[in-house]
Amino acid sequence: ILNVEQSPQSLHVQEGDSTNFTCSFPSSNFYALHWYRWETAKSPEALFVMTLNGDEKKKGRISATLNTKEGYSYLYIKGSQPEDSATYLCAPHLGQGGKLIFGQGTELSVKP
Amino acid sequence: DSGVTQTPKHLITATGQRVTLRCSPRSGDLSVYWYQQSLDQGLQFLIHYYNGEERAKGNILERFSAQQFPDLHSELNLSSLELGDSALYFCASSVESGGDTDTQYFGPGTRLTVL
Repeated sequence: ILNVEQSPQSLHVQEGDSTNFTCSFPSSNFYALHWYRWETAKSPEALFVMTLNGDEKKKGRISATLNTKEGYSYLYIKGSQPEDSATYLCAPHLGQGGKLIFGQGTELSVKP
Repeated sequence: DSGVTQTPKHLITATGQRVTLRCSPRSGDLSVYWYQQSLDQGLQFLIHYYNGEERAKGNILERFSAQQFPDLHSELNLSSLELGDSALYFCASSVESGGDTDTQYFGPGTRLTVL
């Protein structure tokens, strides 16, 4: 069984707060890590694809780092806004065809 | 809008029945993936097709089958339906054959309710 764990399960913050969440995955057979953003009543939307140890990606106020040796990735949101409210999913690609193994997600709620 | 379309949006049926879910990938994408999202479960990978051929299988039940047609659309067939099959079924597509950096673009999903 391949375990992908995301923490916390949910997070409630005020507008303007900065947040971060964690994705832990098996470090063996690692090929890449995908982050997705999933708003309620919509479909998951790709944020980042990360491959190299120490990689850092940024998109606006959202950034992510990757540690492949210890098997974790952090997602940061600077100055959260209500429109950032969504579930953030991570999915490592562990080299089994096109198979992404999705975590349960971190549900972020940003209050105005 | 990702460019991936799925029909129908909602489907309500009875136990024991058979249904077909349809997916059209983004223009130019050759890969189609199917996922299941049940209550309290994360997105579970079911199956991957690339250019008409099966590439990878997840925990797909024997009662479920899929195929990808020459025009690259895909269908997921669910038979002998059980209450536990009620879920949101997503289709995703990607340009290539499922490589590690191949971004998957998700459709809007089909919500299946089995009564």
